[in-house]
Amino acid sequence: AQSVAQPEDQVNVAEGNPLTVKCTYSVSGNPYLFWYVQYPNRGLQFLLKYITGDNLVKGSYGFEAEFNKSQTSFHLKKPSALVSDSALYFCAVRDYYQKVTFGTGTKLQVIP
Amino acid sequence: DAGVIQSPRHEVTEMGQEVTLRCKPISGHNSLFWYRQTMMRGLELLIYFNNNVPIDDSGMPEDRFSAKMPNASFSTLKIQPSEPRDSAVYFCASSLGTASAYGYTFGSGTRLTVV
Repeated sequence: AQSVAQPEDQVNVAEGNPLTVKCTYSVSGNPYLFWYVQYPNRGLQFLLKYITGDNLVKGSYGFEAEFNKSQTSFHLKKPSALVSDSALYFCAVRDYYQKVTFGTGTKLQVIP
Repeated sequence: DAGVIQSPRHEVTEMGQEVTLRCKPISGHNSLFWYRQTMMRGLELLIYFNNNVPIDDSGMPEDRFSAKMPNASFSTLKIQPSEPRDSAVYFCASSLGTASAYGYTFGSGTRLTVV
């Protein structure tokens, strides 16, 4: 069965510093990978996806993610964090049968 | 486009009562998903539809839960009878295709409290 692991419940980073939110996955076949962001009292918002092609994927709000097949990872990154980036971030993987599994989420706290 | 619209935003009900949650997907999207979010379990897929047909309902907790999609622009999730452990935020999401190459668009959720 496919799975997604987000090893950090919370990540704290100072405003202006680079941020990384980690994600590893397990799936049969080629993975379809996604990142979503959830702000308080809101639904999840799509940030970016990896289907195929370049290992570095660019998404909304200056976020990017790096696909690493050998490490089965899909870490979310941003060169310079903003206070407004503080939110809950979810990694997700889709398998061949099109079922999407979400990780448990990582709370990002950007400190002014 | 107004996005995925869910109603009500909040629902407080007594144990044993019937609860109906509603969802209007984005026009043109042909897949619809119902998720439940709790602190303990995170995001759980309950059921999803493709072209109004239920494809996978293996996540529906038990027979007390049922979902319908009578047409492309409306879906309901019903809990009868409700129990306190059903308290959660219920999200509806839609996509073009079964998310094979597209992200989902989520509604703002319905926060259900069963007392």
